[in-house]
Amino acid sequence: SAVISQKPSRDICQRGTSLTIQCQVDSQVTMMFWYRQQPGQSLTLIATANQGSEATYESGFVIDKFPISRPNLTFSTLTVSNMSPEDSSIYLCSVWDNYNEQFFGPGTRLTVL
Amino acid sequence: SQQGEEDPQALSIQEGENATMNCSYKTSINNLQWYRQNSGRGLVHLILIRSNEREKHSGRLRVTLDTSKKSSSLLITASRAADTASYFCATDGGYNAGNMLTFGGGTRLMVKP
Repeated sequence: SAVISQKPSRDICQRGTSLTIQCQVDSQVTMMFWYRQQPGQSLTLIATANQGSEATYESGFVIDKFPISRPNLTFSTLTVSNMSPEDSSIYLCSVWDNYNEQFFGPGTRLTVL
Repeated sequence: SQQGEEDPQALSIQEGENATMNCSYKTSINNLQWYRQNSGRGLVHLILIRSNEREKHSGRLRVTLDTSKKSSSLLITASRAADTASYFCATDGGYNAGNMLTFGGGTRLMVKP
């Protein structure tokens, strides 16, 4: 199984600022996914990030608010821009392995004041 | 939008008892996966069951899949206090559906010592 790390593990940010979350995988993967989990809720897919192409965003999520970079096959970043308290969530990245199992990073817990 | 619906939403049992969680979904799937999440941390992959499989076991975990009823169940036998967590099912429609997961709402399990 893939080993995934995320930075930071948690952060407290002020309204109007931006935070970039990093996701590092210990092996090369084609597709990486970013999810959001709002307090007490299940996970919602934000976007799919493929190396060498623009990220594909799900309904309700836009690139201006959640720009994503995918510079190589082991790394991706998600930026939460112009934050508001409604952006307080856990943000998780995930990857598929060769057996169609999807593994998740430990998550980044974001609190916006 | 969430495809899966899980019930119960919350379950409280005594240590040693069995816990059963159910997941229903709406559209055809390629695979169904179960995850555990402890106290808002990252997701731990438990089991993947493919659409052509009916039952899988892993230790104290037993997963069933009934594609005719579009439902799955997760059974945890001889539960322990350490099993206290939220459990999520997630479905994927395969490559043609972008390989993305759609999560159910989750079941919060509490195992009392």
